[in-house]
Amino acid sequence: NAGVTQTPKFQVLKTGQSMTLQCAQDMNHEYMSWYRQDPGMGLRLIHYSVGAGITDQGEVPNGYNVSRSTTEDFPLRLLSAAPSQTSVYFCASSYRVYSGSSNSANYGYTFGSGTRLTVV
Amino acid sequence: AQSVTQPDIHITVSEGASLELRCNYSYGATPYLFWYVQSPGQGLQLLLKYFSGDTLVQGIKGFEAEFKRSQSSFNLRKPSVHWSDAAEYFCAVGTGDSGGSYIPTFGRGTSLIVHP
Repeated sequence: NAGVTQTPKFQVLKTGQSMTLQCAQDMNHEYMSWYRQDPGMGLRLIHYSVGAGITDQGEVPNGYNVSRSTTEDFPLRLLSAAPSQTSVYFCASSYRVYSGSSNSANYGYTFGSGTRLTVV
Repeated sequence: AQSVTQPDIHITVSEGASLELRCNYSYGATPYLFWYVQSPGQGLQLLLKYFSGDTLVQGIKGFEAEFKRSQSSFNLRKPSVHWSDAAEYFCAVGTGDSGGSYIPTFGRGTSLIVHP
């Protein structure tokens, strides 16, 4: 049981290049999310998914794409890298917990160890 | 929409002293509340969570937190801090409604510095 695995751990890109950050989890979690962490800004949600085939935008989605073709994988694509995308990126996954007939919530994340991306 | 405030950017304590990290949330109903810890260069680790029931929640590493509805707070406490507790601490709030707010909102974090 590896938890949440992110690759690569470090990456340097030139402005305008594209790349994909990989995220995989082996816990059969429904929820998966991508966050970026910048100094003094905490964690900001980029995109999230509540199940295979379902994705939605978070707080800062511009410049990023995601897809969720399987439960296990949730890759994050940078379409045309910009220096403003220099950041540490975290993938996280969670079970859904049910609190009533129509209510459900995030049970609590398991985070990957992060990808440190520098765009020059 | 829910939001969470961590009023203290940095907290400095001496090893062996008690600790309280503050967290205030904004949400109309009973929220789901979380505390995470991030050691330098690492991802975040879930310390504890509150969903319902007893308002005093025990977590890992000797931490506890108390949900106070009247104050909209979920403060994290530890009776005696160890040097290894030096880290960044994040409070997060989520909702359990059917509107799809499955993803918690994080505070900006509090950096804990421990003096020997």
